[in-house]
Amino acid sequence: GAGVSQTPSNKVTEKGKYVELRCDPISGHTALYWYRQSLGQGPEFLIYFQGTGAADDSGLPNDRFFAVRPEGSVSTLKIQRTERGDSAVYLCASSLTPGEVDTQYFGPGTRLTVL
Amino acid sequence: DQQVKQNSPSLSVQEGRISILNCDYTNSMFDYFLWYKKYPAEGPTFLISISSIKDKNEDGRFTVFLNKSAKHLSLHIVPSQPGDSAVYFCAASEGSNYKLTFGKGTLLTVNP
Repeated sequence: GAGVSQTPSNKVTEKGKYVELRCDPISGHTALYWYRQSLGQGPEFLIYFQGTGAADDSGLPNDRFFAVRPEGSVSTLKIQRTERGDSAVYLCASSLTPGEVDTQYFGPGTRLTVL
Repeated sequence: DQQVKQNSPSLSVQEGRISILNCDYTNSMFDYFLWYKKYPAEGPTFLISISSIKDKNEDGRFTVFLNKSAKHLSLHIVPSQPGDSAVYFCAASEGSNYKLTFGKGTLLTVNP
């Protein structure tokens, strides 16, 4: 069956621009997570959605970052006024049973490069 | 401040031998631990987990050992196969909390 998909796979943008990263979770998964993996680091938690609402956005680094999931399926991570330090791989994961860590299925990620 | 540490960036072993990947943590509130495997251009894939009420969990060729007093866990792969070559991440959470804290990963290379 289809796994978690993320588009685009690569995004190159200029400092100060706005970007949107999309995540399509596994069908039927109600929980969705965003992580960020910087070079040489492990993934870091950004935000968790249960259904349409952001249940925990404590990992978002600042107010330039925002994420939505309007219909409880596809999610979009939005970054305003991008900075070079935002360059990283952005990973999305979904799970069927909210809160059970070992059922998080990850997508391949979007590699964001800010020039 | 790294709460989950994988101090070996890389490890190389011969096919058929044992691979041992290590992980240390500092947060005593962590009580659930996981290992993920990641191939290039793919997302992390869940491998095996262990709760703090256990000291060992085994799944086929993969065994995870937990030493709570030392705040240390290890992943044993035996026998190692070339297809096991990947980056392995150790992760931890408090209870069944969805929020995972990852280490930096260890690149395992299994040589034929």
